[in-house]
Amino acid sequence: DQQVKQNSPSLSVQEGRISILNCDYTNSMFDYFLWYKKYPAEGPTFLISISSIKDKNEDGRFTVFLNKSAKHLSLHIVPSQPGDSAVYFCAGSNTGNQFYFGTGTSLTVIP
Amino acid sequence: KAGVTQTPRYLIKTRGQQVTLSCSPISGHRSVSWYQQTPGQGLQFLFEYFSETQRNKGNFPGRFSGRQFSNSRSEMNVSTLELGDSALYLCASSLGGTEDQPQHFGDGTRLSIL
Repeated sequence: DQQVKQNSPSLSVQEGRISILNCDYTNSMFDYFLWYKKYPAEGPTFLISISSIKDKNEDGRFTVFLNKSAKHLSLHIVPSQPGDSAVYFCAGSNTGNQFYFGTGTSLTVIP
Repeated sequence: KAGVTQTPRYLIKTRGQQVTLSCSPISGHRSVSWYQQTPGQGLQFLFEYFSETQRNKGNFPGRFSGRQFSNSRSEMNVSTLELGDSALYLCASSLGGTEDQPQHFGDGTRLSIL
């Protein structure tokens, strides 16, 4: 049972525009969410997190939005840069120690 | 500050063999989690260790096992290897306390079964 879903396998965006990556979850007990970026041949790199007590968290060009009623979160990257081209994973947890990951969205930023 | 270190980076085995993968967490991190990544499946949780005890376990068969040492280093063992075990195995560490905090990943061990 896939508790975290990323329904868009890929996304292409022009450099300088906004990238929006989406993630849905089914477990209403999840209260902590993470986004990771992964380049080929490297491990995932932590980007940004959000706790269920918030609906938005910002870190530089990255903003994560959480809609608990819809069980949906999204990652906004503004402005998008070619170096942002990677696979992005979202993950959720209700224990803080066991995370459920989506299958990833491959982002391509076109110069 | 050194990151999470996984060894070896690449490994080739044949069906029926067993394999041991190693993970050294970030200094001060007491929680180590293991994940299996296969194409189209994302990261599947294997298990998590904290203070030498398995604290959480995913839905993998008993052929997959692990342990954690007093210095927080962890090993994962897979016995009676099957072709379907070919995957990238990722280790992640975190402080492991009661506060929510992100996990930090190593670069993984690429295991190929022939």
